[in-house]
Amino acid sequence: DGGITQSPKYLFRKEGQNVTLSCEQNLNHDAMYWYRQDPGQGLRLIYYSQIVNDFQKGDIAEGYSVSREKKESFPLTVTSAQKNPTAFYLCASRVNRDMGNQPQHFGDGTRLSIL
Amino acid sequence: QKEVEQDPGPLSVPEGAIVSLNCTYSNSAFQYFMWYRQYSRKGPELLMYTYSSGNKEDGRFTAQVDKSSKYISLFIRDSQPSDSATYLCAMSVAMNTGFQKLVFGTGTRLLVSP
Repeated sequence: DGGITQSPKYLFRKEGQNVTLSCEQNLNHDAMYWYRQDPGQGLRLIYYSQIVNDFQKGDIAEGYSVSREKKESFPLTVTSAQKNPTAFYLCASRVNRDMGNQPQHFGDGTRLSIL
Repeated sequence: QKEVEQDPGPLSVPEGAIVSLNCTYSNSAFQYFMWYRQYSRKGPELLMYTYSSGNKEDGRFTAQVDKSSKYISLFIRDSQPSDSATYLCAMSVAMNTGFQKLVFGTGTRLLVSP
């Protein structure tokens, strides 16, 4: 079954701790994205990657880091510098951009809370 | 002013009703328009994807785009309790790098009662 898998579903972070959220896709998509969703706000873009070994900051990248070593994987690290990390984190991917504009598809999210 | 405005609801309707969900936007550079459905504790699921002004129909769903008024709508016919979810509008704009950035509305929560 093709899709986007995010893990874990729920994650708790202690003060001063870095945590990493996993995102894996088997859709052969080139582009991958990380969003943060807070109540009463639209999804906000954290980081995106259009191709392996390349990624760019989105609108709210401070306190976050990413890597894109493999096409299938785009992990997000929430560092201790992110002072308000409690949110629902969504990973998305999109088919090869050379095929024209295509919509993004989403995983089922990771809910991060502070202990 | 937000680039995309969407009434948060909740919007409560009886089963079988026609539902109208709407978004307005301010950026005339938006090119593609999407509607996503999001169930509680799940990721958004793409429902409709349109480019030009006019209507696009898919089963019980119709997406309408009016670029002159900067207004998009999603109509749901014969609404079902299983349609109860949050509906997100999203619009894309091309950045200088060729990246298509998505801008989302805040979502409208829909409740369909049996």
